[in-house]
Amino acid sequence: EAQVTQNPRYLITVTGKKLTVTCSQNMNHEYMSWYRQDPGLGLRQIYYSMNVEVTDKGDVPEGYKVSRKEKRNFPLILESPSPNQTSLYFCASQAGQNYNEQFFGPGTRLTVL
Amino acid sequence: SQQGEEDPQALSIQEGENATMNCSYKTSINNLQWYRQNSGRGLVHLILIRSNEREKHSGRLRVTLDTSKKSSSLLITASRAADTASYFCATLQTFGKGITLSVRP
Repeated sequence: EAQVTQNPRYLITVTGKKLTVTCSQNMNHEYMSWYRQDPGLGLRQIYYSMNVEVTDKGDVPEGYKVSRKEKRNFPLILESPSPNQTSLYFCASQAGQNYNEQFFGPGTRLTVL
Repeated sequence: SQQGEEDPQALSIQEGENATMNCSYKTSINNLQWYRQNSGRGLVHLILIRSNEREKHSGRLRVTLDTSKKSSSLLITASRAADTASYFCATLQTFGKGITLSVRP
């Protein structure tokens, strides 16, 4: 089954404790991205990757890092999480780079205390 | 930067009625997409309309695109309670804030 998976689905952590949210897709998609969703603000893109070893900042990259060592994986790293990073995070992938349909993961609800 | 903006922000209708949602955007686009999100879940792609298309249908969904006005509309006909969700338009990988649709049984 074609899908995007994220782990963990729920995470409560404390300020400053490094964490990684994993994202994996099994569709051989070139393009992957991370979004955060906050009430009243909709979805905002954090980082995206057009292919292996190619990553770029989205609209709200501060406080986040990503890597794309393999085509299927695109982890989101919070080196020193802060409470303002409490949010619902989505990973997405799409075929090609021409603004095609995106496939979304189920989301990771992160709370930073 | 918010490329797409939906209107209205919230819509409540009776089952069986049609729901119309609008989206405006700012810059030139290759295509415009509509997505649906059930509460707290991932977005699901509904339909994509290319910049050279004016109208597209998929089941009970009808999407129009007016590039001269930089706007699009999503029509859901004969709505059902199961259509209750948030709907987003997206252009150039940028999403609007979404429309919350409630369909009363």
